Amino acid sequence: GDSVTQMEGPVTLSEEAFLTINCTYTATGYPSLFWYVQYPGEGLQLLLKATKADDKGSNKGFEATYRKETTSFHLEKGSVQVSDSAVYFCALSLPNTGRRALTFGSGTRLQVQP
Amino acid sequence: NAGVTQTPKFQVLKTGQSMTLQCAQDMNHEYMSWYRQDPGMGLRLIHYSVGAGITDQGEVPNGYNVSRSTTEDFPLRLLSAAPSQTSVYFCASSYEKGGDTIYFGEGSWLTVV
Repeated sequence: GDSVTQMEGPVTLSEEAFLTINCTYTATGYPSLFWYVQYPGEGLQLLLKATKADDKGSNKGFEATYRKETTSFHLEKGSVQVSDSAVYFCALSLPNTGRRALTFGSGTRLQVQP
Repeated sequence: NAGVTQTPKFQVLKTGQSMTLQCAQDMNHEYMSWYRQDPGMGLRLIHYSVGAGITDQGEVPNGYNVSRSTTEDFPLRLLSAAPSQTSVYFCASSYEKGGDTIYFGEGSWLTVV
């Protein structure tokens, strides 16, 4: 079946450090890929997405590129801030299945220290 | 601009009790779904609906019922609560013309003792 694998956390970084959170996927079709962010005590917010190979999603300084050849969608940010501390989820959906549902990775907690 | 609204935000139940988690969206979205979030497991799909009157099972449907009598509402019913249903529950919605973007509610924290 379809699945998403993320690097385990927590990831602890100092402010202004470079961030990479790895995400790889397995899918029977041609998925769309997403990164969601969950701040403490809140729901999930869409951070960025990409719908086809070589697309780059970007938002708030975060980027991820859809790599079909390596089935990956790694999240990067050049300089993290304390306010980026949250749990990050990689997810996929398969269009045209009639379901419009997401398959999630287990989440990676990011802690940014001042 | 309410988006996806879930109630209650927090609930404690005793084993064997029943309850309903409410979910409403005001965006006229066709698709609605319920997920549960457990530590180290991400979110897993419980039930989903592609429109009023149509529901189907997701990955972990046992112990839960849903109905979709209107486009706006998609309640999740726990028939006889068990400690294994202690979790955070998220309702989500999306619309046909909106691509793949799915919008989430703020979550309902449920504890079964």
